[in-house]
Amino acid sequence: DTAVSQTPKYLVTQMGNDKSIKCEQNLGHDTMYWYKQDSKKFLKIMFSYNNKELIINETVPNRFSPKSPDKAHLNLHINSLELGDSAVYFCASSRGLVTDTQYFGPGTRLTVL
Amino acid sequence: AQSVSQHNHHVILSEAASLELGCNYSYGGTVNLFWYVQYPGQHLQLLLKYFSGDPLVKGIKGFEAEFIKSKFSFNLRKPSVQWSDTAEYFCAVIGTGTASKLTFGTGTRLQVTL
Repeated sequence: DTAVSQTPKYLVTQMGNDKSIKCEQNLGHDTMYWYKQDSKKFLKIMFSYNNKELIINETVPNRFSPKSPDKAHLNLHINSLELGDSAVYFCASSRGLVTDTQYFGPGTRLTVL
Repeated sequence: AQSVSQHNHHVILSEAASLELGCNYSYGGTVNLFWYVQYPGQHLQLLLKYFSGDPLVKGIKGFEAEFIKSKFSFNLRKPSVQWSDTAEYFCAVIGTGTASKLTFGTGTRLQVTL
């Protein structure tokens, strides 16, 4: 009965490759997010979707493109991976407004070689 | 723009010691406040939150936090820590406007020794 799930848990890839991370929530929430946690554990929001519409788009390279096929899913596609993209990426969801409590997924540890 | 400061980066305590982790924020309006915990190798879990009402909020696992509006603070406390409390603790703040974003502090690593 996992609330927010992500796949894969680990992703190791070469520079220049394109990869995707998938996120699904079964909480019936309307809003979903992607966060990046760097090597110093600092968490920063990247994107937020509400009912499949993009509502937050932080200063993130164009190589990162979120896609929300329905309100229970928010995927993250990354083109032309760079060394600096290595991080843990967390998906989260909240019931409605962005001010509601956010529930986080288990994270995807991306390592770019 | 809002920001969150957690002044203690690494705290080491013996079991049964009392804990207080500082969190200060800057924001010009009403805020919702959170403490999340990240156990080693795991995802973030909500410890407690403050939206309104009693400024002393109780969370899971015996944690509590007090919102002091005049000091822009939301410190986390626990009277007696356990070894299993070893984790990274994050304070987070969001303004109540629709364009707000959840902003995290840099985290405090708590190490509890036996």
